[in-house]
Amino acid sequence: GAGVSQSPSNKVTEKGKDVELRCDPISGHTALYWYRQSLGQGLEFLIYFQGNSAPDKSGLPSDRFSAERTGGSVSTLTIQRTQQEDSAVYLCASSLAVTDYGYTFGSGTRLTVV
Amino acid sequence: EDQVTQSPEALRLQEGESSSLNCSYTVSGLRGLFWYRQDPGKGPEFLFTLYSAGEEKEKERLKATLTKKESFLHITAPKPEDSATYLCAVQKGGSYIPTFGRGTSLIVHP
Repeated sequence: GAGVSQSPSNKVTEKGKDVELRCDPISGHTALYWYRQSLGQGLEFLIYFQGNSAPDKSGLPSDRFSAERTGGSVSTLTIQRTQQEDSAVYLCASSLAVTDYGYTFGSGTRLTVV
Repeated sequence: EDQVTQSPEALRLQEGESSSLNCSYTVSGLRGLFWYRQDPGKGPEFLFTLYSAGEEKEKERLKATLTKKESFLHITAPKPEDSATYLCAVQKGGSYIPTFGRGTSLIVHP
């Protein structure tokens, strides 16, 4: 597609439920990033994938968070046993290569845990 | 620890009133400094990358400059459509992960 696509755009879930957020990067982009943006906060890095290399998971806040990227393309971020503090906008970005700093962001998934 | 501080947090301008946004940073071995624009309900949109002190880049009414400790985003004769949150991020050598500031919310009144 022409841009980075994220789904769903909005998600309301009950505390304790699991959620899956999807990111479809720009075709051919080898690097994929997940960030989290809370109200009034900067973008918080979560995880990145580069080609077939092992992902950098150093930003994941707890073991309830995991992500995978299948076939070097679509990525899914999974949050298990959601908590209210997980409420935020989850942003995905992709780029041609890790050294290409012009990341293209999707519009994000707004997650609300009630 | 890498730090990025943006100021002011919010800025209101009249159309045509030029101003500057500041991004000060502490990072060892800067690899690059980036500026993004973010509109409500959307993801950040890439504007510029600056790599070394003294470098400048321009795009329409925006001009970004870089020193060893800070970057400025100059907005010349802004228009209401320039209203957005402007984000700054830095990336240090050896890392592939930019650290973002909290942004400056800019509102330009007609």
